[in-house]
Amino acid sequence: DQQVKQNSPSLSVQEGRISILNCDYTNSMFDYFLWYKKYPAEGPTFLISISSIKDKNEDGRFTVFLNKSAKHLSLHIVPSQPGDSAVYFCAAGRTIIQGAQKLVFGQGTRLTINP
Amino acid sequence: KAGVTQTPRYLIKTRGQQVTLSCSPISGHRSVSWYQQTPGQGLQFLFEYFSETQRNKGNFPGRFSGRQFSNSRSEMNVSTLELGDSALYLCASSVISGTLYEQYFGPGTRLTVT
Repeated sequence: DQQVKQNSPSLSVQEGRISILNCDYTNSMFDYFLWYKKYPAEGPTFLISISSIKDKNEDGRFTVFLNKSAKHLSLHIVPSQPGDSAVYFCAAGRTIIQGAQKLVFGQGTRLTINP
Repeated sequence: KAGVTQTPRYLIKTRGQQVTLSCSPISGHRSVSWYQQTPGQGLQFLFEYFSETQRNKGNFPGRFSGRQFSNSRSEMNVSTLELGDSALYLCASSVISGTLYEQYFGPGTRLTVT
């Protein structure tokens, strides 16, 4: 049972345009959501997170939107740059005790920014 | 502030051996999690430690174990290695800041079992 799904394995966007990466989840108990960027042979790089009490969080070029009723989150990158080309993972976590989390990751979306 | 560090970066072992991987979290982070990444299964949660106690555990056999020391450094041990244990093992340290949860990954240890 895949609780976190990224249905698009790849996405190609023109440099300077907006990149929108999508993620769906099934467990309504998730209360934290995170986005990561990953280059080959490296660990994931944390980008941005959002709590379930919010519906939007912004950090520079990155904005995450959360739609709890649809169990959907998205990452917007504006403007897209060639260095953004990487695999993007969304992750969802459920607070258990004392801030404990058990993150579940999607399968990733490969973003390619074309010059 | 230094990031999450993992040692060694690369490791080659043979079936049946055991291996210990090490992780040093970001200074001030008390939670350390371990993940296994493989091409077929993606990123899978192994376990999480906080203040030297295992708080969460993923669906991995008992051959996978870990511990955390008083300085928050953590080790992961895999005994009786199998070919399927070949993977990138990632350590992450995390912190809650206000309403935001942030988890940062190390570069990983690439384990190859032959």
